[in-house]
Amino acid sequence: EDQVTQSPEALRLQEGESSSLNCSYTVSGLRGLFWYRQDPGKGPEFLFTLYSAGEEKEKERLKATLTKKESFLHITAPKPEDSATYLCAVTTGANSKLTFGKGITLSVRP
Amino acid sequence: EAQVTQNPRYLITVTGKKLTVTCSQNMNHEYMSWYRQDPGLGLRQIYYSMNVEVTDKGDVPEGYKVSRKEKRNFPLILESPSPNQTSLYFCASSFSHYNEQFFGPGTRLTVL
Repeated sequence: EDQVTQSPEALRLQEGESSSLNCSYTVSGLRGLFWYRQDPGKGPEFLFTLYSAGEEKEKERLKATLTKKESFLHITAPKPEDSATYLCAVTTGANSKLTFGKGITLSVRP
Repeated sequence: EAQVTQNPRYLITVTGKKLTVTCSQNMNHEYMSWYRQDPGLGLRQIYYSMNVEVTDKGDVPEGYKVSRKEKRNFPLILESPSPNQTSLYFCASSFSHYNEQFFGPGTRLTVL
């Protein structure tokens, strides 16, 4: 059974304080790992897709990396508007399901 | 505008009264999916569809039905809702399960 674990559950940062969010996975044959951002009461919004170990993608203050066991979402000099829940999801070649982690709630104080 | 729409957005119903939540996308996506989101449990996939007339179970399919008669529509059917199906439901679509998913705005369902 595919498993996705995100840590920490919640993270509080001061504006400008860089940090990383972790997504570890146990799957057979990873075909894609996704990061989404979700604001309260809204649907998740896509951030990144990573397909193979060693791959990195960047967007503004966010950078996602992937190894064979985990992915990190690095947030550089965060701003209060980066406050949200960040979700990680995986899909494999065994079937067409998507498995999400429970999410990490990020709060950035001004 | 490219979007996924869900209706209704909010629904309060009673145990056993059949209901349907509609989902429609205008992006010509082949892959569509339903999720429920509960506090402490995260987002869990209920059913997904890889194309018209092709559906399969996700991780929590019990108590739900789906159909995919047209490419753009993927309704979620609760034939006999129970209180444990009270949740926030999201529909999503994408070109395939390897691609980014576009999510609808959500349907908040309460079953009394």
